[in-house]
Amino acid sequence: GENVEQHPSTLSVQEGDSAVIKCTYSDSASNYFPWYKQELGKRPQLIIDIRSNVGEKKDQRIAVTLNKTAKHFSLHITETQPEDSAVYFCAASNYQLIWGAGTKLIIKP
Amino acid sequence: GAGVSQSPSNKVTEKGKDVELRCDPISGHTALYWYRQSLGQGLEFLIYFQGNSAPDKSGLPSDRFSAERTGGSVSTLTIQRTQQEDSAVYLCASSLGQARAEAFFGQGTRLTVV
Repeated sequence: GENVEQHPSTLSVQEGDSAVIKCTYSDSASNYFPWYKQELGKRPQLIIDIRSNVGEKKDQRIAVTLNKTAKHFSLHITETQPEDSAVYFCAASNYQLIWGAGTKLIIKP
Repeated sequence: GAGVSQSPSNKVTEKGKDVELRCDPISGHTALYWYRQSLGQGLEFLIYFQGNSAPDKSGLPSDRFSAERTGGSVSTLTIQRTQQEDSAVYLCASSLGQARAEAFFGQGTRLTVV
């Protein structure tokens, strides 16, 4: 079955710098790769997703890249702000979503 | 409803008692997931429904845990003879069940076993 690994588990960056979180997956049939943000005490919410027919997608300060050959995808956050502090989860899906373990992002003022 | 609804929001129960947690998915969503999340931890997969059937129940931690879904809609997660280690937030999510479908989460049920 599918397995998703996410790194790093914790990431601390200076406000204004960029943050990158990486995930790898095992099932080449996976074709949908969402990223969710979970703020403290709240439910996870979708922030961006990418489908297997594209290599990159951008939405303002966030972007996701996908390398199907290497079976990895990454979340990029530029010009980080305090409100970006949260736990971020990646997932891979053919039909069933399989989740990474999460990355706690800390933005230092 | 407009989103995934879970009830109760909070549940305190005595060790050894049974509890039922309810999830109302978004109308029309055929896929439904249950997860457990301890404080500061990730999403621990419990079970996945597609319609009324559960093609993947590999995450249920013991036979004290069971779940059902009726009418392709509401799902109930039952924990029998609760233990203190069952204390966590239980999250439900639903999606259209198609490939490339976004999952929407409920607000969760915070279970405390005393």
